[in-house]
Amino acid sequence: EPEVTQTPSHQVTQMGQEVILRCVPISNHLYFYWYRQILGQKVEFLVSFYNNEISEKSEIFDDQFSVERPDGSNFTLKIRSTKLEDSAMYFCASGARGSSNYGYTFGSGTRLTVV
Amino acid sequence: DQQVKQNSPSLSVQEGRISILNCDYTNSMFDYFLWYKKYPAEGPTFLISISSIKDKNEDGRFTVFLNKSAKHLSLHIVPSQPGDSAVYFCAAVPNFGNEKLTFGTGTRLTIIP
Repeated sequence: EPEVTQTPSHQVTQMGQEVILRCVPISNHLYFYWYRQILGQKVEFLVSFYNNEISEKSEIFDDQFSVERPDGSNFTLKIRSTKLEDSAMYFCASGARGSSNYGYTFGSGTRLTVV
Repeated sequence: DQQVKQNSPSLSVQEGRISILNCDYTNSMFDYFLWYKKYPAEGPTFLISISSIKDKNEDGRFTVFLNKSAKHLSLHIVPSQPGDSAVYFCAAVPNFGNEKLTFGTGTRLTIIP
């Protein structure tokens, strides 16, 4: 079954450093998403991306965050200057609209720990 | 602002019995609802969905009920199996095809053998 692959599975970074979280979506999907889950809290929408541009973003997704699809296969989330409160699980998802489940497939996540 | 609420953080059910997970929402614009299952160290996995024009959708052991006037939905799993032990999230969108899923806080279901 096709999978969304995320790397690394765990990233530890110092506060103020830049991090790039990587995702390889399912190959024929056109819609890409990042969500995050702070420990013990709900899964929160960050951003959606379609046709090489952001289609929607949440208030969490401020100027410190950016997304890119640099080479047609990877989909990356960059946090420019990490803060302690950025520590969370970050989930990438890719989708094909029109199916009963939104065609959303989530990756296994990257656990980001900011120290 | 918790637009989707799961008031039970945990639930334990005997194997073979019915598990009922509840979810309430406050945004009357929500039009489509989904349930996801999550194991530790994995991403959420889609289980079942329901449109607001329906009040029930069934898929094997899983049934979702929607009471739109009460802004309440529930997921029934029968019979419950040990492999059903996981965290269950309900999620909602304003209309089918909208980008953004709004998730509840999750309910940890434990099936007791």
